Parts: sequence; structure tokens; C-alpha cells
Amino acid sequence: ETGVTQTPRHLVMGMTNKKSLKCEQHLGHNAMYWYKQSAKKPLELMFVYNFKEQTENNSVPSRFSPECPNSSHLFLHLHTLQPEDSALYLCASSQDLASGRLDYEQYFGPGTRLTVT
Amino acid sequence: QKEVEQNSGPLSVPEGAIASLNCTYSDRGSQSFFWYRQYSGKSPELIMSIYSNGDKEDGRFTAQLNKASQYVSLLIRDSQPSDSATYLCAAPRGDSWGKLQFGAGTQVVVTP
Repeated sequence: ETGVTQTPRHLVMGMTNKKSLKCEQHLGHNAMYWYKQSAKKPLELMFVYNFKEQTENNSVPSRFSPECPNSSHLFLHLHTLQPEDSALYLCASSQDLASGRLDYEQYFGPGTRLTVT
Repeated sequence: QKEVEQNSGPLSVPEGAIASLNCTYSDRGSQSFFWYRQYSGKSPELIMSIYSNGDKEDGRFTAQLNKASQYVSLLIRDSQPSDSATYLCAAPRGDSWGKLQFGAGTQVVVTP
């Protein structure tokens, strides 16, 4: 496989369920990201990992819990979500975030379309 | 204040014409800029990156950067119906390399 993959591609869950989103990158990158894209709103950065260390939590509610076991895998654990959390969740990866670096183009996976009922 | 601003469109462009998209950013510390194309229901796809003032060409796409005026633009020459999509401009927060802020996107519609 190439690029960035995400599973599942679609997920419907109730407000009391617990589920996880998975992302895997095959680009040799060391930085990984979670974004949320809601209808008619700009992409919102949620979490950033650089060499497995979380470097950004953009004021995300605790019902979203990220996990990065290594530089190639990223998870987003979901529990007790709200209907307003329904959105497209996108994973991306890039070169590591080194000071002064400019070439950190981010490559996105296909996304998980999440619906919370 | 929005950090990265784009006209939402839709921008209607006749097939074969040039589509011109503009983006302004507020953080003077930003050094890298990216254009993504997003088809409806799909994820963003990187089409251009630019770091230096001036023009950068890649096929039918040209990115232009003017750091003094804090704007970056994208030109699409010989527009095709397959170019119909939403184009996202992204710039990093000046204090946080790699932490991109995205504009809301400009929808482009190429009409045959």
C-alpha cells in the first residue's frame, strides 16, 4: 500500500459507544496529524505528533483521545460523542517538524466519515 | 480575525480559460504556503507548495507568493472540467512549523 490509509472509511456510532479510528502512513514520515472537517467549515487541526510525541492539542474535548504508538500509526479513540461531532476526520503525515524546516508538505488520507446518532 | 482568508466562490470559469484564486494570511512569520485541491466527498490533495517570493510553475498550475503583501495566489491555465473542485490555501502559524491553518476554500466550477 502507498500513501496514507485510514480505516474505517465510514462509521456510525451511538452517543454511548466507544470506537477507534486508525491511520497508517507508508511515506517514511515522522509527523502525523488529526484534522476535523465539518460541513461549511475550514479544516480544524486537532492533534499533532512528531516522532511519536504529542506536540499539539488544539483544545480538543477529552472524548477524543489520540494514540501514536510509532511514527507510522495513529489512532483516534472516541467515546461518548455528541451529534455535533459528526464530521469527516482526516489523518495526514509529513516530514518531521524540525526548526527552520520549510518542506513539511502534509499528505492526507481518504478520511473517515463519522456520524453520531 | 481569520488567519487565512479566501473568497468562497463559486468561481465560474469557462473551459480553457485561466482560473485565478487568491489567499491572504495574517501571520508575517509564515514561510511556507500550500495549495490543496479537494473534490466533493474526498480528502485534500496537495497540488503546490511555495516558499519564496515570486512564481512557481508546475504543469498548468502557477503559485505566486508576495510576502510583503501577505498574499499567495494560484493560477490554473487551460482550465478543464476536471479542475472543478474546492481549492484550499494553507499557511503555518509562524510560531509552530507544520501546524497548518487552512482557509475555508474557494469553489471553482469549470463550465464546458
